[in-house]
Amino acid sequence: DAKTTQPNSMESNEEEPVHLPCNHSTISGTDYIHWYRQLPSQGPEYVIHGLTSNVNNRMASLAIAEDRKSSTLILHRATLRDAAVYYCILRDQTDSWGKLQFGAGTQVVVTP
Amino acid sequence: DGGITQSPKYLFRKEGQNVTLSCEQNLNHDAMYWYRQDPGQGLRLIYYSQIVNDFQKGDIAEGYSVSREKKESFPLTVTSAQKNPTAFYLCASSRDYRTGELFFGEGSRLTVL
Repeated sequence: DAKTTQPNSMESNEEEPVHLPCNHSTISGTDYIHWYRQLPSQGPEYVIHGLTSNVNNRMASLAIAEDRKSSTLILHRATLRDAAVYYCILRDQTDSWGKLQFGAGTQVVVTP
Repeated sequence: DGGITQSPKYLFRKEGQNVTLSCEQNLNHDAMYWYRQDPGQGLRLIYYSQIVNDFQKGDIAEGYSVSREKKESFPLTVTSAQKNPTAFYLCASSRDYRTGELFFGEGSRLTVL
């Protein structure tokens, strides 16, 4: 399975953008890049996913490098509610979710 | 509102006792999953079920058991054979085992005294 590498933690000031990197140098052509986040003492929630093109939704933007070996999740204006652990996961569209693993993710700290 | 309900949210048990965690979903999803999370760690898959009356072991199935008799329900039993059962347990579901995103419950925190 393709692996991802994320920094352990990142800090941001409130109302400033947050750029969360994810390296996935062994990504295959059919791997989608998924992001989930987990607020304290809660289950993870879906944030965004993409294959090749950059993606935007109401929560965040996903910028995917041209060679797809890395991607960046962008939170445009961090709020205190964005303090969470963010997980970057690769999933082939033919794979079961049961075959995947969530790593330790990136802990985002937002300072008022 | 559709979603996943886990109960209880907090549970304390004595060592050597079996305990069953409930997971119910009303999303009409075929696939369901159980994960374990230890402090500061990612999620590890215990068991998953792609369809009713079928389930597969995940990476850390030893000491756990599950059943999937109904589409909506996927209970997890933590048996006395589980050496270190104190953890945060998360249930999730997806439309089927390959498509759709994962939806998670709010988790059950089990403490064995």
